[in-house]
Amino acid sequence: EDQVTQSPEALRLQEGESSSLNCSYTVSGLRGLFWYRQDPGKGPEFLFTLYSAGEEKEKERLKATLTKKESFLHITAPKPEDSATYLCAVQVSGATNKLIFGTGTLLAVQP
Amino acid sequence: GAGVSQSPRYKVAKRGQDVALRCDPISGHVSLFWYQQALGQGPEFLTYFQNEAQLDKSGLPSDRFFAERPEGSVSTLKIQRTQQEDSAVYLCASSLGGGEIRRRGYTFGSGTRLTVV
Repeated sequence: EDQVTQSPEALRLQEGESSSLNCSYTVSGLRGLFWYRQDPGKGPEFLFTLYSAGEEKEKERLKATLTKKESFLHITAPKPEDSATYLCAVQVSGATNKLIFGTGTLLAVQP
Repeated sequence: GAGVSQSPRYKVAKRGQDVALRCDPISGHVSLFWYQQALGQGPEFLTYFQNEAQLDKSGLPSDRFFAERPEGSVSTLKIQRTQQEDSAVYLCASSLGGGEIRRRGYTFGSGTRLTVV
């Protein structure tokens, strides 16, 4: 069964304290791994797509990496405005364009 | 429009009542998705349309759930005889199509929060 697991469930950081979020996946065939950010009361907002092991993408203080079994979202010198829930999702080969989401990591960055 | 619009933003329904949730996708987006997000969980896939064709409805939890997109633009998710376990946020998302989904993901609306009492 295709599955996505995110850890930790929640993370509290001080402003400027770098850390990483983990997304482990078990799928029959990976077409793409997606990272989204979700603010309270809003829909998820697209951040990155990664396609193959070894790929990396960056956006401001965020950097996403991918291996054959997991993806990391590295947050460098976070600011309070980075506080949100970060969702990981996979698109599986042979399936329709649906995404399978993890349960997310709730990040709180304190000033 | 500039984004995906969903209405109503909030809906309170009495158990057993029927509800209809509306989604206006971004103009020109051929792909449209419905997801259900329970409190503290990630979104779970319900159904997928390409234009007016419903290509995947494998995530609909029961025959009380029905979705349509008759003209390939606006979509409606209908839930009949609502039950307490239907309480969740219902998210709609749209995209230009397969290749675009991989490059830019979907664009989600802000959702409809359904509370069944």
